[in-house]
Amino acid sequence: GAVVSQHPSRVICKSGTSVKIECRSLDFQATTMFWYRQFPKKSLMLMATSNEGSKATYEQGVEKDKFLINHASLTLSTLTVTSAHPEDSSFYICSARRDEGTEAFFGQGTRLTVV
Amino acid sequence: GENVEQHPSTLSVQEGDSAVIKCTYSDSASNYFPWYKQELGKRPQLIIDIRSNVGEKKDQRIAVTLNKTAKHFSLHITETQPEDSAVYFCAARSVKAAGNKLTFGGGTRVLVKP
Repeated sequence: GAVVSQHPSRVICKSGTSVKIECRSLDFQATTMFWYRQFPKKSLMLMATSNEGSKATYEQGVEKDKFLINHASLTLSTLTVTSAHPEDSSFYICSARRDEGTEAFFGQGTRLTVV
Repeated sequence: GENVEQHPSTLSVQEGDSAVIKCTYSDSASNYFPWYKQELGKRPQLIIDIRSNVGEKKDQRIAVTLNKTAKHFSLHITETQPEDSAVYFCAARSVKAAGNKLTFGGGTRVLVKP
């Protein structure tokens, strides 16, 4: 399958700071990337859908000003958690797919801890 | 929007026995149903998927069945091994869903006891 790389895999930051997470498709061009949040022992909760060159579509209840998503190229999408708080601590995972209707491949996830 | 329910939430089986996980979905326009395996702290990995034009698909010890009329699909793992221990997620994708997104079930934690 295709390779999706997420960076960093772990990050610890102080309350009030911002953290950027990168999601890269290494061997294919991803027209769409998805950002998920996963709480311990819970399912994947879709936060937003990101299409290259356009604004992300956020799921209901997800604050777009807090979780900034940029999909500037066909191989890179970024999620920035702004003014992070301890309740933002979670496992964030991206997935990427070539075209609509094709399989999406997951990144390895980023464990964010806000202290 | 689509709603996917998954049962059971936990499943403990003896090595060599079979494991069955069931999911139901709400949107009759869903046409793609993947299953993912996620080990602790790792990314979800696609293990098998099925599209709405078939009723069953098998890959070695893993099989998936789909009943479109009843809107449910199941994962069957035969001859379970300790390395099958993980969390399994079903998902559904509707042609009507914005962005063609996947909706995930709540997950099943499978423990295979040696």
